[in-house]
Amino acid sequence: QQQVKQSPQSLIVQKGGISIINCAYENTAFDYFPWYQQFPGKGPALLIAIRPDVSEKKEGRFTISFNKSAKQFSLHIMDSQPGDSATYFCAASMVTDKLIFGTGTRLQVFP
Amino acid sequence: DAGITQSPRHKVTETGTPVTLRCHQTENHRYMYWYRQDPGHGLRLIHYSYGVKDTDKGEVSDGYSVSRSKTEDFLLTLESATSSQTSVYFCAIRPDRAQETQYFGPGTRLLVL
Repeated sequence: QQQVKQSPQSLIVQKGGISIINCAYENTAFDYFPWYQQFPGKGPALLIAIRPDVSEKKEGRFTISFNKSAKQFSLHIMDSQPGDSATYFCAASMVTDKLIFGTGTRLQVFP
Repeated sequence: DAGITQSPRHKVTETGTPVTLRCHQTENHRYMYWYRQDPGHGLRLIHYSYGVKDTDKGEVSDGYSVSRSKTEDFLLTLESATSSQTSVYFCAIRPDRAQETQYFGPGTRLLVL
């Protein structure tokens, strides 16, 4: 019940396309859903986060879509750029508790 | 990397030897975490600390111990390293209970032969 399942494991997108990464969770007590971005040789960094009281949050080209009834959330990267090539992790937690991370998606954007 | 340093950045050691990894922060944040990152497993929590001398176990704590004698330092010790502990280790910090964002250090790559 503590797992966060992430798919796909890897994703190849052409420059200008839309990248979509999906995550699913079981624990309905989770109330904080962040996405982290990690470049090779670096630590993960917070990209965008959402709480379950909204269905969508947008920051620039990055959007989180949240479906509370389905217990799923996804990251959409619009107009994907080669500089977006990185590994992306979804995560979930209760606000006062520890983060549970998905297994990661390696995104490659080709020009 | 949000005022977090990890040392060493790379280490090669032999099975059975003790290893200590250090996480140092300049942010005076209360919470500190140790994760390991392995292909196919994402980031898994080893131990965490919610204050000086206050620590607790995470998901994969077997074979690891931690200590926090000062706010700024969080040490991870492998008492007797095994090949299964070959991994990349990340430290993270978090300001306080009300703020969820964790800030990660640059990582330590550990190879146990």
